[in-house]
Formats: sequence, C-alpha cells, structure tokens
Amino acid sequence: GDSVTQMEGPVTLSEEAFLTINCTYTATGYPSLFWYVQYPGEGLQLLLKATKADDKGSNKGFEATYRKETTSFHLEKGSVQVSDSAVYFCALSEGGAQKLVFGQGTRLTINP
Amino acid sequence: DTAVSQTPKYLVTQMGNDKSIKCEQNLGHDTMYWYKQDSKKFLKIMFSYNNKELIINETVPNRFSPKSPDKAHLNLHINSLELGDSAVYFCASSPTSGWYNEQFFGPGTRLTVL
Repeated sequence: GDSVTQMEGPVTLSEEAFLTINCTYTATGYPSLFWYVQYPGEGLQLLLKATKADDKGSNKGFEATYRKETTSFHLEKGSVQVSDSAVYFCALSEGGAQKLVFGQGTRLTINP
Repeated sequence: DTAVSQTPKYLVTQMGNDKSIKCEQNLGHDTMYWYKQDSKKFLKIMFSYNNKELIINETVPNRFSPKSPDKAHLNLHINSLELGDSAVYFCASSPTSGWYNEQFFGPGTRLTVL
C-alpha cells in the first residue's frame, strides 16, 4: 500500500538556521502531497500542498517541491523562528482514496 | 467561528466502559473522517463518511462504531474500552471526496483508559 517516510526526529536548531525535513513516499499512482503542522496541544493545520509533479507548495516561508523522479517532497525554510517549533507531518492522498496517509511526524524545536 | 469542533477535549474512563466523542463541522463539507494518533504521534485513518455514507473502514475493531446523523456531524462510539484505546482522536472534514482537497482537523480528543 501507499506509505510515507519522514526523517527521524527530534530536530533541534537555533533561530535563523536553515531547515530541511526529508519526506519520501511510495504510491501506485500520482498522489497529492501535503505538509501538515501540529503545534503543542492543537490539531493539525495544513502548511502547504502540491498536486502534481514539479509543483512547489509554499506558505509562511516554508517550501516543498513535488519531485516525481525521486518520489520526494522535502520541507525547507531558509530561516526558522522559535514559533516554528511543532511536529511536522508529511502526507499523501491518492486519486480514488478518501484518506490521508501520514508519515511518522518530525518534532522540531527551535532554540532562541 | 467556522471550524471543526470536537467534544469532549479530554476523556478519562475505566476499562470496559462505553464512551462517545462528538464532532461537528460548519464548513459545509461533504466528507468527514476520524483519525487516531498514538503516543508516538503516528496518525492513522479510522473511518471516512461522505454525505452520511460510510466510505472507509480501516481495520478498526468493531467496538468502534461511527455514526453520521447528518453531513455536518460524525460521532464515534467506543464499546468496552481497552487500555490500547488510549490515544488522541482527531475528526477532520474536506470539501468533497477529492483526493486533492485538504482536510480540516478538529482540536482532538485525548482519551485515557485506566
């Protein structure tokens, strides 16, 4: 079945550092790809998405590009802030299915 | 506020009890979901309903029974609670059943079974 693999956490960075969280997927067709963020004690919020190959999703300084050739959707941000501390989930959704398949989540902590 | 809401936010109960979690969305969406998040933060779909009709039932014990009285509500009833049911349960909704649509999540219900 479809699956998503994220880099192991936790990840700890200093403020203004560059962030990359790796995400790769396995799918039989052409999925849509998503990054969701979960702040402490809250539900998940969509951070960005891409629905076809070479699409770049972006929001709040975060970016991810749908790479079909490497089946990847890595999350990047040029300069992180303390307020970016959260758990980040990569997910896919495929045509015909009505569910999100999530990676295991990556906990990010940004120190001032 | 337009949102997905869940009640209760916290639920502590004894093994063997029966409990329900309620979910409501006022976003006008057609599709609603239940997800379970375990202690390691892993999220997995449990059920999906589209216009009150069950679409997905992902290998969930039949002690779990979802009920959708209308397309704005999706409740989760759990019989004979077990220790392993302790988790955070998230309700979500999406505009249509399309695979490209984002899902909007509720704040979660933390269930603790003692």
